[in-house]
Amino acid sequence: GESVGLHLPTLSVQEGDNSIINCAYSNSASDYFIWYKQESGKGPQFIIDIRSNMDKRQGQRVTVLLNKTVKHLSLQIAATQPGDSAVYFCAENSLGGANSKLTFGKGITLSVRP
Amino acid sequence: ETGVTQTPRHLVMGMTNKKSLKCEQHLGHNAMYWYKQSAKKPLELMFVYSLEERVENNSVPSRFSPECPNSSHLFLHLHTLQPEDSALYLCASSQEWTGGREQFFGPGTRLTVL
Repeated sequence: GESVGLHLPTLSVQEGDNSIINCAYSNSASDYFIWYKQESGKGPQFIIDIRSNMDKRQGQRVTVLLNKTVKHLSLQIAATQPGDSAVYFCAENSLGGANSKLTFGKGITLSVRP
Repeated sequence: ETGVTQTPRHLVMGMTNKKSLKCEQHLGHNAMYWYKQSAKKPLELMFVYSLEERVENNSVPSRFSPECPNSSHLFLHLHTLQPEDSALYLCASSQEWTGGREQFFGPGTRLTVL
């Protein structure tokens, strides 16, 4: 069945370095993808999204890359800061926009070393 | 914050109690969602309401009963819960149910069933 998964459960990076968080999806019909960040004691917070007609989108210090050929999504965080420490989720909408139902991955913990 | 509020933030209840979780969104959105977040599991979609009408019910036990009196408010009524129902319950909203949209999450209610 369809799944959205993250390659590694935890990622530890040095403050100031760039972080790359990867996500694989299995449904080739997925056409909308989102990255969320969840800090301890809070709900998931939207970071950035991308539609399948794009392969790259940039935000403030973040970039999402989409490779539809291998069904891979990544989130790049530039100059990682202690405030970036959180759990990161990728999510997909696999119904061609018929509705907004999202399938979420399990989450990966990003830990930033000072 | 995201514009989605949830009360209470923490709830401890016995298996014979009846309680309700409340969610309110101040974003003018038309779709609202309940999710269950358990440790080390992806977010599980429970219910979706679009324009106050339930459009999705993901095989949730009847001990969870949602209510959507208007497009800004969503409730989750709880009765005779089990200890395995202990989790973080998240409410979210999106502009529309159709079209593959970003969802905005509240901070969640941490529920413990004794």
